[in-house]
Amino acid sequence: TQLLEQSPQFLSIQEGENLTVYCNSSSVFSSLQWYRQEPGEGPVLLVTVVTGGEVKKLKRLTFQFGDARKDSSLHITAAQPGDTGLYLCAGEGGAGSYQLTFGKGTKLSVIP
Amino acid sequence: EAGVAQSPRYKIIEKRQSVAFWCNPISGHATLYWYQQILGQGPKLLIQFQNNGVVDDSQLPKDRFSAERLKGVDSTLKIQPAKLEDSAVYLCASSPSGLGEQYFGPGTRLTVT
Repeated sequence: TQLLEQSPQFLSIQEGENLTVYCNSSSVFSSLQWYRQEPGEGPVLLVTVVTGGEVKKLKRLTFQFGDARKDSSLHITAAQPGDTGLYLCAGEGGAGSYQLTFGKGTKLSVIP
Repeated sequence: EAGVAQSPRYKIIEKRQSVAFWCNPISGHATLYWYQQILGQGPKLLIQFQNNGVVDDSQLPKDRFSAERLKGVDSTLKIQPAKLEDSAVYLCASSPSGLGEQYFGPGTRLTVT
């Protein structure tokens, strides 16, 4: 069983602060996806990283894929209340499978 | 473009009762997925369809769960009989192929009492 460990599990910060959440695994993935899920809704894709060492920026969000394609991080600069939600990482293509394996998520609350 | 539609949005049943969920994927998407998301956890794949054929149902509890995708479009997931531990959000997702981005519906929140 491939496991994706996300940390921290919960994070509550003030508006304007920076934060980083992590996604770690012992498995190698062909790609890794980050989703954001709001209460009562399904996850929505933020980004897909494919190449080891890759860095992608989406406005105030910076995503990095580890060199060995086993881990990833999401950094948010100057967090806003609209960033509140559950951030899920999902690995694709681990152990020869094309399925997505999801982590448990990081629940982020940004307080105005 | 319309997203993935699911119904009902909420369902409360007693244990040992039966329940069915419906999903209509994005038009033209060949692959359809059903996930179970228990509170505080990430989605867990139950079954994956490619058109109307099952690609993977290794994590589907087949003694009580069943799913079908007749005509390769919409799909139903059934639980019979339900147990307390089946309380979760059931998410349907679709993708154009079996790779890359998956588009999720809003989910059905099931409470088994």
